Amino acid sequence: DSGVTQTPKHLITATGQRVTLRCSPRSGDLSVYWYQQSLDQGLQFLIQYYNGEERAKGNILERFSAQQFPDLHSELNLSSLELGDSALYFCASSQYNNEQFFGPGTRLTVL
Amino acid sequence: AQSVTQLDSHVSVSEGTPVLLRCNYSSSYSPSLFWYVQHPNKGLQLLLKYTSAATLVKGINGFEAEFKKSETSFHLTKPSAHMSDAAEYFCVVSGGSNYKLTFGKGTLLTVNP
Repeated sequence: DSGVTQTPKHLITATGQRVTLRCSPRSGDLSVYWYQQSLDQGLQFLIQYYNGEERAKGNILERFSAQQFPDLHSELNLSSLELGDSALYFCASSQYNNEQFFGPGTRLTVL
Repeated sequence: AQSVTQLDSHVSVSEGTPVLLRCNYSSSYSPSLFWYVQHPNKGLQLLLKYTSAATLVKGINGFEAEFKKSETSFHLTKPSAHMSDAAEYFCVVSGGSNYKLTFGKGTLLTVNP
């Protein structure tokens, strides 16, 4: 158990809908990272937050957004969902160094 | 810019035989390198990391990796495979101020009895 929690574990929704994925980092970790894992694209970095502020962006679509709250938990919002958004979404957290601890992931299925 | 190439998408070994998973990297920075393992329907677990200390890095479950700058490689090895090692393995490079991780495409390790 990495200490990073993600909810929900599974999410099934329809095209055009909006969903929110939640991540709670390990105690004391200020950085939160979001990753998408799909069969065709592999594991891709989406976005990083550090202590509430956006630090870096990766291959994140404009339909996706994220935020980190004062209690350091983070949410990833996915809107206008398409079939191709079906994937496993991971959250990771870290302290000051670059060792990231991953949550169990949220499996999103868009029908 | 940074990238990772895992040279084998699938490696199959017999239980008790050595494991070698190959990884080459490219980075504009002095890189940190990692190996993560993902068991079916599970999250990612850190096996080991290299962060410019000793070039031979020991990790969990008997795995180790050697950083070779001249060859830009970071191959993962284990002397004797166990059935429980069957999983997908990711070589990862990190560099720059935001510690963004760049993943390889993964190597699926199968262990035969």
